[in-house]
Amino acid sequence: EIVLTQSPGTLSLSPGERATLSCRASQSVSSYLAWYQQKPGQAPRLLIYGASSRATGIPDRFSGSGSGTDFTLTISILEPEDFAVYFCQHYAASPPYSFGQGTKLEIK
Amino acid sequence: QVQLVESGGGLVKPGGSLRLSCAASGFSFSDYYMSWIRQAPGKGLEWVSYISSSVGSRFYADSVKGRFTISRDNAKKSLYLQMNSLRAEDTAVYYCVRIYGDYCDHWGQGTLVTVSS
Repeated sequence: EIVLTQSPGTLSLSPGERATLSCRASQSVSSYLAWYQQKPGQAPRLLIYGASSRATGIPDRFSGSGSGTDFTLTISILEPEDFAVYFCQHYAASPPYSFGQGTKLEIK
Repeated sequence: QVQLVESGGGLVKPGGSLRLSCAASGFSFSDYYMSWIRQAPGKGLEWVSYISSSVGSRFYADSVKGRFTISRDNAKKSLYLQMNSLRAEDTAVYYCVRIYGDYCDHWGQGTLVTVSS
């Protein structure tokens, strides 16, 4: 089973700053990686699929990069509504398609 | 627009059973794989089960294999999860999720299952 490790566990930044979140896979997942945002009391929302493609309606301040085992989600200029928990998920090969443990992005 | 509405959650004793339902609308339900994903309180996400569009294949996480059964009724645009022999560790919010290209493109609001005596 492929294990995804996200870092850091918690990221404290201010609105207007740049956020860089990392997701590392225990073996190559090619570009079969997605990112989700979850706000308190809400369901997760798809942000990025295919490592770098933005989902419908996602602002262009969100970008994804990487392939193989190392991936990055970047939020170029943090807005107040971006403070949330972010999960990565792989969908390479066959199930189970595991999730990372999440990175909490909090206001500094 | 795509809507997924779960129901059927609640409080159940260990060893008990529960059936979750998900009503889908706003898309051609029969064309999509569907999944149940859960999240224990304050924890991360766990892929529980998924089912192909034509019910040709199903997948279960090891943690629920033999106890949970996923099914769907394409005519009713509905997804189900029959949960038997429930354990305390099954306590979670269960999300109904539409699968597109093996990633989760739409999520329901979730239904809470609490297993406790």
